[in-house]
Amino acid sequence: EAGVTQFPSHSVIEKGQTVTLRCDPISGHDNLYWYRRVMGKEIKFLLHFVKESKQDESGMPNNRFLAERTGGTYSTLKVQPAELEDSGVYFCASSHRRSPYEQYFGPGTRLTVT
Amino acid sequence: DQQVKQNSPSLSVQEGRISILNCDYTNSMFDYFLWYKKYPAEGPTFLISISSIKDKNEDGRFTVFLNKSAKHLSLHIVPSQPGDSAVYFCAARMDSNYQLIWGAGTKLIIKP
Repeated sequence: EAGVTQFPSHSVIEKGQTVTLRCDPISGHDNLYWYRRVMGKEIKFLLHFVKESKQDESGMPNNRFLAERTGGTYSTLKVQPAELEDSGVYFCASSHRRSPYEQYFGPGTRLTVT
Repeated sequence: DQQVKQNSPSLSVQEGRISILNCDYTNSMFDYFLWYKKYPAEGPTFLISISSIKDKNEDGRFTVFLNKSAKHLSLHIVPSQPGDSAVYFCAARMDSNYQLIWGAGTKLIIKP
């Protein structure tokens, strides 16, 4: 069974540019989560999808961040325009509806904004 | 304000000995706790969890203890092996809320 995959693994962009991160969850997992870890600090929740619906987006920092999950499959997280403080590692996770608390993580996308 | 705290950024343990990783939390509404392990350039991997109605959960070499009155949990690894060297995260959740609240992690180094 394939795990959670994320693309790209690393992205370097300039302040003001746009970046789109992609996450493919484990097949059959209805729950999809985005998290971010900044500079060795704690991992912070961004949002949670159940299928294609946003269940909880309380962790989204501001309206420069837009997450979508078309058809309840893969998800994208767009940052537009990027700021320096957006640098960090963005993790995607998924979980099955029967065990929603056991979240399986992707390898993360390291975003560097210069 | 951090609701889940891992006060030790790193811990060094001799191979074969016990590793004890600690985690404190402030929110009494948390009802489920998880430990994740993370290797460099990889995402966190689920290790073990415990519900707030229990005080201990064991899975092979890994045991998690929960002290609700002290709002403290710990992960014991016995015996420690070189492959256990990683960053360990403590995470918590509240009932009916799927988001996880994370600690900053503790880097465990197992010395041969």
